[in-house]
Amino acid sequence: QKEVEQDPGPLSVPEGAIVSLNCTYSNSAFQYFMWYRQYSRKGPELLMYTYSSGNKEDGRFTAQVDKSSKYISLFIRDSQPSDSATYLCAMRKNNFNKFYFGSGTKLNVKP
Amino acid sequence: SAVISQKPSRDICQRGTSLTIQCQVDSQVTMMFWYRQQPGQSLTLIATANQGSEATYESGFVIDKFPISRPNLTFSTLTVSNMSPEDSSIYLCSVEDPTGAGFGQGTRLTVV
Repeated sequence: QKEVEQDPGPLSVPEGAIVSLNCTYSNSAFQYFMWYRQYSRKGPELLMYTYSSGNKEDGRFTAQVDKSSKYISLFIRDSQPSDSATYLCAMRKNNFNKFYFGSGTKLNVKP
Repeated sequence: SAVISQKPSRDICQRGTSLTIQCQVDSQVTMMFWYRQQPGQSLTLIATANQGSEATYESGFVIDKFPISRPNLTFSTLTVSNMSPEDSSIYLCSVEDPTGAGFGQGTRLTVV
């Protein structure tokens, strides 16, 4: 069983839709949770960073962590074609510990 | 966050040859990481490079195949040795960041 599971998609939505991206994990020791966006032929860029359970909002993006269910989500409101990319979740047990990445979900936002 | 420059950005290499990838950071960092991302796959950690000590390799990766140098706190190299088509991948340099991990743009390697 992989440490982190993520649906690879692709996920195709119309412009303006609310997008929900999700990851599940098996190790209850994970405390730090991240979402990265990766455009084609580019390196991943950090979108959201959260510690422990709860919600965090940044503009159109909301990250949600439910440690009891071992489930994290990224919501994108008013999605734009420029949001079309692969979204990777990542997590770690503590600082200076290795990162565990999901396989990435490919998102396509149609104009 | 740190600015990470990686080169080359892409290369096409003959099997049996070696390629050295360079990673330069604009600030001093303790740990640097090298990842591989195969087509359609997620990131797989190859090794962790600390300045002044031997790199620590993950299971499935060995120093003879992926030698790493870390001569100072802002620079590292990864060499992919005796390449085969199975080594075709994106190689990414990463550094510890207060809010996660920062990544270089990656090196897209094709072995023919």
